[in-house]
Amino acid sequence: ELKVEQNPLFLSMQEGKNYTIYCNYSTTSDRLYWYRQDPGKSLESLFVLLSNGAVKQEGRLMASLDTKARLSTLHITAAVHDLSATYFCAVGSIYNNNDMRFGAGTRLTVKP
Amino acid sequence: SQTIHQWPATLVQPVGSPLSLECTVEGTSNPNLYWYRQAAGRGLQLLFYSVGIGQISSEVPQNLSASRPQDRQFILSSKKLLLSDSGFYLCAWRAQGRDTEAFFGQGTRLTVV
Repeated sequence: ELKVEQNPLFLSMQEGKNYTIYCNYSTTSDRLYWYRQDPGKSLESLFVLLSNGAVKQEGRLMASLDTKARLSTLHITAAVHDLSATYFCAVGSIYNNNDMRFGAGTRLTVKP
Repeated sequence: SQTIHQWPATLVQPVGSPLSLECTVEGTSNPNLYWYRQAAGRGLQLLFYSVGIGQISSEVPQNLSASRPQDRQFILSSKKLLLSDSGFYLCAWRAQGRDTEAFFGQGTRLTVV
């Protein structure tokens, strides 16, 4: 069974600091997705990573994928308050194209 | 462009009452459709997915059911709600294929009282 683990689950950081969120998964996969959720809202797609070594960047966020280590990272550079949200990673199963499993989410709070 | 509609946005229902949540997608054909549930402060639990009309896969045993009567319509139902059914329900769609991402509806916040 495909399992996805994120850490940390809660992250409080000050503006201007850097930090990394980790996403580990249990079985072989080459498809990984990052989403953002604001409180009480739906999920917004951030990044789609489709190969080993894939790296994508948007503003202060950068995501990478290491399929051999079964690990993806979401790096935050010089955090700002607007980045406060919950971030989810999701992994696609190679055995079932229709299966997408989510991590528990990382609740990020950026303090001034 | 593709859009996904989910309603109602908020629902308060008594224990034992029925439930029907509806999700429709526009601008695409033959999408994969998903129902997820998110308990307060928790991650997403996959409830059902569908790859075509009348084709439903269930991920967890429970008192919920799903149906796909039309290509772009996905319905989540229950005959009798339990307190534990409270949560944030999200519908999502993906295009067919391995590399596509999921796009989510705005969600339904269900409170069972």
